Amino acid sequence: GAGVSQSPSNKVTEKGKDVELRCDPISGHTALYWYRQSLGQGLEFLIYFQGNSAPDKSGLPSDRFSAERTGGSVSTLTIQRTQQEDSAVYLCASSLVGTPNQPQHFGDGTRLSIL
Amino acid sequence: AQKITQTQPGMFVQEKEAVTLDCTYDTSDQSYGLFWYKQPSSGEMIFLIYQGSYDEQNATEGRYSLNFQKARKSANLVISASQLGDSAMYFCAMRSDQTGANNLFFGTGTRLTVIP
Repeated sequence: GAGVSQSPSNKVTEKGKDVELRCDPISGHTALYWYRQSLGQGLEFLIYFQGNSAPDKSGLPSDRFSAERTGGSVSTLTIQRTQQEDSAVYLCASSLVGTPNQPQHFGDGTRLSIL
Repeated sequence: AQKITQTQPGMFVQEKEAVTLDCTYDTSDQSYGLFWYKQPSSGEMIFLIYQGSYDEQNATEGRYSLNFQKARKSANLVISASQLGDSAMYFCAMRSDQTGANNLFFGTGTRLTVIP
């Protein structure tokens, strides 16, 4: 489809394992964002990419979290040594930049459950 | 720093009636954008409407309108002629137009339930 695609849609893993979450943005969108939504909460910003570079990593909660983007397209969010508090829905969004009124378009998210 | 406040955790509205969802914000920036998103139980975030801080007219998109009162720093969403499919979480969000500050700051959301 033409929207933001995220995989996997659900991930269950044991505490201490590493996980990789993938985001494929809308074609042509140079900006890409990762957010986290804990149960019943609003969205918490994690990291922003413009092209392949990340000018704003301020939201990453710890050094266990990292993200990269290659080819100005697909991005992966990696969580190392997962903890139970990492359980959340991880949402990716993409947008055009340069025009203030451009909305961010979201994927369906990855629901991460840490046992 | 930006902050979004949604004081209504839950709202009920009768089908076909109008409803207003409140949103106030706090920022020291002069240029910013305000957004409303809908999140149904399926989880996807659906963009509804945008208001720029320098826009003089309130934004409208179909049954959605944004009651923007800049001096009061409020950006309430008005949904007219509510439908059962409007039942969802609604999030107000803000983005600064300062260079590099492109992420959205979200409120905690309002759960709207449309009653038949």
